[in-house]
Amino acid sequence: LAKTTQPISMDSYEGQEVNITCSHNNIATNDYITWYQQFPSQGPRFIIQGYKTKVTNEVASLFIPADRKSSTLSLPRVSLSDTAVYYCLVGEKQGLGAAGNKLTFGGGTRVLVKP
Amino acid sequence: DAGVIQSPRHEVTEMGQEVTLRCKPISGHNSLFWYRQTMMRGLELLIYFNNNVPIDDSGMPEDRFSAKMPNASFSTLKIQPSEPRDSAVYFCASSGGGTSRNEQFFGPGTRLTVL
Repeated sequence: LAKTTQPISMDSYEGQEVNITCSHNNIATNDYITWYQQFPSQGPRFIIQGYKTKVTNEVASLFIPADRKSSTLSLPRVSLSDTAVYYCLVGEKQGLGAAGNKLTFGGGTRVLVKP
Repeated sequence: DAGVIQSPRHEVTEMGQEVTLRCKPISGHNSLFWYRQTMMRGLELLIYFNNNVPIDDSGMPEDRFSAKMPNASFSTLKIQPSEPRDSAVYFCASSGGGTSRNEQFFGPGTRLTVL
């Protein structure tokens, strides 16, 4: 499983865009990039997943350059409720067996949104 | 859908006592995961099951920890005897059901305090 590196924490203000970059230099060909969000006292929650270029959903956008050695999660116009820890994970997309199902969570990025 | 159900939500026990944590995965999911989260170590995967069979238990810290999945709708994580250093939030997650992405759905967690 490829190791990921992301900033420990980031501060932002309401209404701003937050961009969190994750490094994954050893990403494998079959690996996808997935981001989870964890609010205090809750379990992590899936946000977005991508393989290359750009993916957008109702919550966030994920930008992946051609070499796929990094990715950037973009949260548009954050609110106080977006204060959470954001985890970047790299692994196989589908549960193809023992290796495919396993996700390894790193330290995550603690995002604090201020009023 | 009720999501992943965990019980109890909070458990306070004394050192040496047996602790049993319970999990009901989302119906139709064929993979189940047990995680432990602490401030010092973050979110750690303890063990996971595919189709009720333990696949990877390399994260189980000691023989004091054991997990079972007698059927597709129920799993337990047991600690015997418990120690203060076992104090943590224990999450259960499930995935599968034919989705195209390796998304795990987490339960609310059990906060364990061992005195």
